[in-house]
Amino acid sequence: DARVTQTPRHKVTEMGQEVTMRCQPILGHNTVFWYRQTMMQGLELLAYFRNRAPLDDSGMPKDRFSAEMPDATLATLKIQPSEPRDSAVYFCASGLGASVGGETQYFGPGTRLLVL
Amino acid sequence: DQQVKQNSPSLSVQEGRISILNCDYTNSMFDYFLWYKKYPAEGPTFLISISSIKDKNEDGRFTVFLNKSAKHLSLHIVPSQPGDSAVYFCAASANYGGSQGNLIFGKGTKLSVKP
Repeated sequence: DARVTQTPRHKVTEMGQEVTMRCQPILGHNTVFWYRQTMMQGLELLAYFRNRAPLDDSGMPKDRFSAEMPDATLATLKIQPSEPRDSAVYFCASGLGASVGGETQYFGPGTRLLVL
Repeated sequence: DQQVKQNSPSLSVQEGRISILNCDYTNSMFDYFLWYKKYPAEGPTFLISISSIKDKNEDGRFTVFLNKSAKHLSLHIVPSQPGDSAVYFCAASANYGGSQGNLIFGKGTKLSVKP
C-alpha cells in the first residue's frame, strides 16, 4: 500500500527555533508538493519539485522557509526562525507528473506545527 | 482573489439521499479538476477527477459534472452514507505547454450525513 509519509506528525516549538519537516514521496513519483493549511487561507501551495528540481516556490516566504529534495526519496521543508504565524498543518503530496490528462496528487497525513 | 470557490462552507444531508457539492472557478485555462475528501487529522484523499474534454465522470456512488461555459463543477454522492461525512475540497489545474501546473484548491465544504 504505497503512501506518502511525513515526519514528525506533530511539532510544538518556541518562536525562533528551527523546524524541519520531512516527506517521503510514493516510490516512482517524480513530483513533490508542499502545502500549508490554515483556517483562514485553506490549502496553500508553498513549493513544488519535479524530478528533484524546484519548479515553483513563489508561495513560500523566502526569508525563513526553504524546501529541498536531497534525493528522490526525501523532501524537506525547513523554517528558520519559526514564528507563531507559521502554526498550521503542513502537507506533502506526490504525483507522477503527467503532462497530459492531468495529474493526481497523493497527500501525506501532514505535520501539525504549533509555534509558541 | 480566489480562483476556485466553494461557496458553501457546510452541507447537511440525510443518509440515503443525494449530496451535491458545488465549486466555481474563474480561470478559463483550468483543464483538469479534482475532488478530494479529508477526514480530521488526515491528509486529503483523492476522490475523483475530470478533464475539461468531458462533462461527466462517474465512479461508483460519486459523479462529477463539469459545466465549462458556467465555469462550474459539482460532485454528486448517491446514496450518501454516514462515512461520507468529511470536508470535500475542489481543486483545479492548468496544463501549460504540456507541463501540468500546480493544483489550486477551494476552501472546502464540510459534509455531514445524518443517519
